[in-house]
Amino acid sequence: NAGVTQTPKFRVLKTGQSMTLLCAQDMNHEYMYWYRQDPGMGLRLIHYSVGEGTTAKGEVPDGYNVSRLKKQNFLLGLESAAPSQTSVYFCASRDLQGSSYNEQFFGPGTRLTVL
Amino acid sequence: AQSVSQHNHHVILSEAASLELGCNYSYGGTVNLFWYVQYPGQHLQLLLKYFSGDPLVKGIKGFEAEFIKSKFSFNLRKPSVQWSDTAEYFCAVNAVTNAGKSTFGDGTTLTVKP
Repeated sequence: NAGVTQTPKFRVLKTGQSMTLLCAQDMNHEYMYWYRQDPGMGLRLIHYSVGEGTTAKGEVPDGYNVSRLKKQNFLLGLESAAPSQTSVYFCASRDLQGSSYNEQFFGPGTRLTVL
Repeated sequence: AQSVSQHNHHVILSEAASLELGCNYSYGGTVNLFWYVQYPGQHLQLLLKYFSGDPLVKGIKGFEAEFIKSKFSFNLRKPSVQWSDTAEYFCAVNAVTNAGKSTFGDGTTLTVKP
């Protein structure tokens, strides 16, 4: 049971380049989330999904797109990267059953630098 | 909309000192409350959570938190910190009716000196 995994762990982009961050979970969770973490600002929600085929905007969605074609995967895309998107990105999934009800499980993070 | 405020941005303690980190939230309805910890270079993991019942909840590694509804607070405590508690601590609130979305505080960095 790997939990939540993220690919890649590190990436450096030039302004205007595009990329996709992959999040995968093997816990059969319905809900999945993408956050960005910036110094002194905690975690801010970018987009989230409450099930396969559904996505919704979070607090800071501009410049990002997401897709949830399979229940276990949640992709975050940057179509045209900007320096303001330099951040650490965390994916999380939420358990809606059992002893870990409503707990979020986080991936290890992706550190993205946009030059 | 819900919001979370953590009062201390950086706390420095010596080993064996007692810890209390403040967390206040604003939301008029029923909430679930969480404390997460992020050790250096690692991802966030759950310390403890409150849903209902006894307002004093105990978590892992000797941490506890008390929910005081009248004060909209959920402060984290530990009687005696260790060097290994050096980490960043995040308070989070999830309105029960809010599609599972959590709002996180800005975090408190705890440094424990050996």
